[in-house]
Amino acid sequence: EAQVTQNPRYLITVTGKKLTVTCSQNMNHEYMSWYRQDPGLGLRQIYYSMNVEVTDKGDVPEGYKVSRKEKRNFPLILESPSPNQTSLYFCASRGSTWDSPLHFGNGTRLTVT
Amino acid sequence: AQSVTQPDIHITVSEGASLELRCNYSYGATPYLFWYVQSPGQGLQLLLKYFSGDTLVQGIKGFEAEFKRSQSSFNLRKPSVHWSDAAEYFCAVGASGTYKYIFGTGTRLKVLA
Repeated sequence: EAQVTQNPRYLITVTGKKLTVTCSQNMNHEYMSWYRQDPGLGLRQIYYSMNVEVTDKGDVPEGYKVSRKEKRNFPLILESPSPNQTSLYFCASRGSTWDSPLHFGNGTRLTVT
Repeated sequence: AQSVTQPDIHITVSEGASLELRCNYSYGATPYLFWYVQSPGQGLQLLLKYFSGDTLVQGIKGFEAEFKRSQSSFNLRKPSVHWSDAAEYFCAVGASGTYKYIFGTGTRLKVLA
């Protein structure tokens, strides 16, 4: 089954404790991206990757890092989480063209205390 | 700056009634336009998209949308709403020349039996 898998689904952590949210896709997609969803703000793009070793900032990259060492994986790293990073995070992937729809994971709800 | 506006935060309709969800965008060129739906606890699913050509596009689940360049709008419509359509709906713009997606803040649809 074609899917984007995020882990964990829920995460509670404390300020400053480094964490990684994993994202994996099995569709051989070139493009992957991360979003955060906050009430009243919709989805905002954090980072995206056009292919292996090629990443770029979205609209809200501050406080986040990503890497794309393999085509299927695109982890989101919070080196020093802060409470304002409490949010619902989505990973998505698609093929190389705009005509290819975004496939979303089921989300990771992160709480930073 | 590129932006997407969904003026209605919440909409309530009766089952069987028609539906129109509004979306306005700001973008220098003709953008790629999308509507996504998010069911509770799920990621987003593509309903339909517009790139060029016929300005009335058909999507899944009986939805359609019309691109109006003069109004910078891409409103989503459905002639008869079903209870299972209750969800949150997001309009999005794909910024051609970049790899960025810009999402609106969403419209939450409630369907009354």
